[in-house]
Amino acid sequence: DAEITQSPRHKITETGRQVTLACHQTWNHNNMFWYRQDLGHGLRLIHYSYGVQDTNKGEVSDGYSVSRSNTEDLPLTLESAASSQTSVYFCASSDPGPVDTGELFFGEGSRLTVL
Amino acid sequence: KQEVTQIPAALSVPEGENLVLNCSFTDSAIYNLQWFRQDPGKGLTSLLLIQSSQREQTSGRLNASLDKSSGRSTLYIAASQPGDSATYLCAGLPFTSGTYKYIFGTGTRLKVLA
Repeated sequence: DAEITQSPRHKITETGRQVTLACHQTWNHNNMFWYRQDLGHGLRLIHYSYGVQDTNKGEVSDGYSVSRSNTEDLPLTLESAASSQTSVYFCASSDPGPVDTGELFFGEGSRLTVL
Repeated sequence: KQEVTQIPAALSVPEGENLVLNCSFTDSAIYNLQWFRQDPGKGLTSLLLIQSSQREQTSGRLNASLDKSSGRSTLYIAASQPGDSATYLCAGLPFTSGTYKYIFGTGTRLKVLA
């Protein structure tokens, strides 16, 4: 079955370190998204991509970057981790758009703690 | 800016009750609407998707409807069970286009008591 896998599922790091969260999907979806989920804020969009070599900033992109070198992967990098980036991070993907169903699928999440 | 409100924020019901969760968008121009379930510490699981040409979807004890004129959606859960306890989120894909970015509500936390 097609799926989205995130790794690591849990990570503890120190302030100032670079961290990369991996996201791999086997749906062959062009659209991929990174969200963070925090109490009181719900899901907030960090970055998204509509295809290879395409990346776009979401509403909370400061301190984060992504790259899309193939269809399957969209790694999220925290250049210099800050305590404010302690959160649960979710990767998601969807069909190319309204031509297909447009349904959104999520990974299991990566819990990041920055000390 | 499009915003999504889910009411109630939390709900506790005895087993067997039928219940309705509500979701509303400030801008009613919604193309797709999706309902998700999230268990503690887990990802979001898609429950139902209402596409642009549809008004409702059903899966087992779940029924979701979308009133496009008002931008309101309801998720109906029949004969609730303790296993239904979770957070339920709605998400809408706005018509404004060229974008495939869903907008999420903050969820309804449901607890079904045995």
